[in-house]
Amino acid sequence: DAGVIQSPRHEVTEMGQEVTLRCKPISGHDYLFWYRQTMMRGLELLIYFNNNVPIDDSGMPEDRFSAKMPNASFSTLKIQPSEPRDSAVYFCASKIQAENSPLHFGNGTRLTVT
Amino acid sequence: AQTVTQSQPEMSVQEAETVTLSCTYDTSENNYYLFWYKQPPSRQMILVIRQEAYKQQNATENRFSVNFQKAAKSFSLKISDSQLGDTAMYFCAFMKRYGTSYGKLTFGQGTILTVHP
Repeated sequence: DAGVIQSPRHEVTEMGQEVTLRCKPISGHDYLFWYRQTMMRGLELLIYFNNNVPIDDSGMPEDRFSAKMPNASFSTLKIQPSEPRDSAVYFCASKIQAENSPLHFGNGTRLTVT
Repeated sequence: AQTVTQSQPEMSVQEAETVTLSCTYDTSENNYYLFWYKQPPSRQMILVIRQEAYKQQNATENRFSVNFQKAAKSFSLKISDSQLGDTAMYFCAFMKRYGTSYGKLTFGQGTILTVHP
C-alpha cells in the first residue's frame, strides 16, 4: 500500500498562472477528498467524490477552482487564474466505504503564489 | 452543520508526563464518529485514534486514550508517557455516520503540542 500520492510536493507560481495539483488515492478507496490548510482558516474541505462522482463542492472558494476525477485512480484540483490568497497546503485524502474507516491523507502540496 | 472546537491553541509537556488535549463539538446527530489526527512538522496527517459515538467504552491505542462524554459533547485526548516524537499539531475531527455529507470530516482548529526533554 503506497498510500495517497500527491504531486507536486511544492509549487511556486506567479499570480495569474494556472496551477494543477494531482492526487492518486489508495487503490480500492471509494471516497476522495480535497482539503486546504491555512493558518487563518485551518483545514477546510473543498470538494469530495464518491465513486468518481462529485458529492459536495460547496467548499470550493470560487469559479477559479475546479476539480475532476476522471477515474478511480486519479484526481486533479485546478486553480485558474491563481492568486496570492490561494497560497496554502492542499491535501488529498481517500477512504473506503466502510462506516468507521478513517481518511488517509497524502503528504500535501504546498502552493505559493507570488 | 457540525462544528468542532479546540480551545487550547498550544500546550506543552515534559517528556514522560501525561497531557490532555480538549475538544468539544456541536451536532444534532446521534450517530457519528470522532477522530484525533496528528500533524508533525513533516505536515503528514496521521490518524491517532477513533471513537464510535454509539460505543460507550473509551477508545485506547497504546499511550493514547480518549475521554468521550457524549452528553457533554466532549472528546479529549490523553497522551501518557509523552515522547519527543509526540510533538505535533493535533486535530480533533467529526464525521457523520449516515446520510448526506457522510464521509466528510469536520476539523477543529488544532492544538500545537510541544514535548520538552
